[in-house]
Amino acid sequence: DAGVIQSPRHEVTEMGQEVTLRCKPISGHDYLFWYRQTMMRGLELLIYFNNNVPIDDSGMPEDRFSAKMPNASFSTLKIQPSEPRDSAVYFCASSWDREHEKLFFGSGTQLSVL
Amino acid sequence: DQQVKQNSPSLSVQEGRISILNCDYTNSMFDYFLWYKKYPAEGPTFLISISSIKDKNEDGRFTVFLNKSAKHLSLHIVPSQPGDSAVYFCAASRRGTALIFGKGTTLSVSS
Repeated sequence: DAGVIQSPRHEVTEMGQEVTLRCKPISGHDYLFWYRQTMMRGLELLIYFNNNVPIDDSGMPEDRFSAKMPNASFSTLKIQPSEPRDSAVYFCASSWDREHEKLFFGSGTQLSVL
Repeated sequence: DQQVKQNSPSLSVQEGRISILNCDYTNSMFDYFLWYKKYPAEGPTFLISISSIKDKNEDGRFTVFLNKSAKHLSLHIVPSQPGDSAVYFCAASRRGTALIFGKGTTLSVSS
């Protein structure tokens, strides 16, 4: 299996622009998570899905952030409009485990908002 | 308000010695604890875990200790190797909820 695939690996954009991050989870995994890593806050959960349905989006910072999972093999995280404080590494992870203990992470998207 | 805290941002250890990484948590409802390891430009990978019904779990050079009364867990690496140099994240969960991670501790093992 190719693992969790995220694209793009790097994204540089200007403040106010729309940013879309993409994720393909491991086939057969029912859970998909979006995390964000910053120096100040570490790895923080943004949102997670079970069987394509959002379960907990309490970590989504603002209405500027939205996430979708139209099918079992694809998810997007969109930021519109982007701001410099959104600069971070965004990770997607998937799991088959109902207890979510063992997550498989993608390599992340390094987002820089200028 | 951080529920999982790693108060040491970094740790430096000589090769062959023991590395001890610490983690504190505030939520007494957590019942599963994990350590993840992260190399630069890669996603975190699972290292070792422990259930709240245990106080120790060992896997090769890695041992995790859990002290529920103190709400504290630690990861011991013996002996430390240069390839262990990475960021280590402590994580915790309540059954059926998503993992909550700490900020991470950067371990540097010098040869």
